Amino acid sequence: DAGVIQSPRHEVTEMGQEVTLRCKPISGHNSLFWYRQTMMRGLELLIYFNNNVPIDDSGMPEDRFSAKMPNASFSTLKIQPSEPRDSAVYFCASSLRDGIEKLFFGSGTQLSVL
Amino acid sequence: EDQVTQSPEALRLQEGESSSLNCSYTVSGLRGLFWYRQDPGKGPEFLFTLYSAGEEKEKERLKATLTKKESFLHITAPKPEDSATYLCAVQATGAGSYQLTFGKGTKLSVIP
Repeated sequence: DAGVIQSPRHEVTEMGQEVTLRCKPISGHNSLFWYRQTMMRGLELLIYFNNNVPIDDSGMPEDRFSAKMPNASFSTLKIQPSEPRDSAVYFCASSLRDGIEKLFFGSGTQLSVL
Repeated sequence: EDQVTQSPEALRLQEGESSSLNCSYTVSGLRGLFWYRQDPGKGPEFLFTLYSAGEEKEKERLKATLTKKESFLHITAPKPEDSATYLCAVQATGAGSYQLTFGKGTKLSVIP
């Protein structure tokens, strides 16, 4: 298996622009997570999907952030409009069962908002 | 609120110089404690899960141990390829048990 695949690897955009990050989880995994990593705050959970349904989005910073999972093999995280403080590394992770037991992370998207 | 504190923030070791990384945690009820390794430009990679005080797990030069308040990651005779950031995370029992609370990590550098 190729593991969790994220795209793009790097994204540089200007303040106010829309940004869409993409994730393909490992086939057969039914839980998907979006995390954000910064030096100041470390890894923070943004949203958790189980069987394609959003279970907990309490970590989404504000209404500018939205996430979807239209099917078991694809998820997106959208920021509209983007702001400089959104600059961070965004990770997608999946796990085999409900809850986490063992998370498999993608390589992340390095987002820079100028 | 669950909290995880890792120390030291950074550690430089000579090749072959054994040491330990610390993870102190506060959680209402512990379901599991996780150790991950993160290389630059990559996502965290799972190493171990510990579930109860007294439990130990080993993988190559790494051994993880758990008490009721902290976990240690012991590195025996490290090699340069062990250089990475090591992250500790806790999973609590009850509602929201899918959540992992991560520490900020210890950046380990092993010098040849």
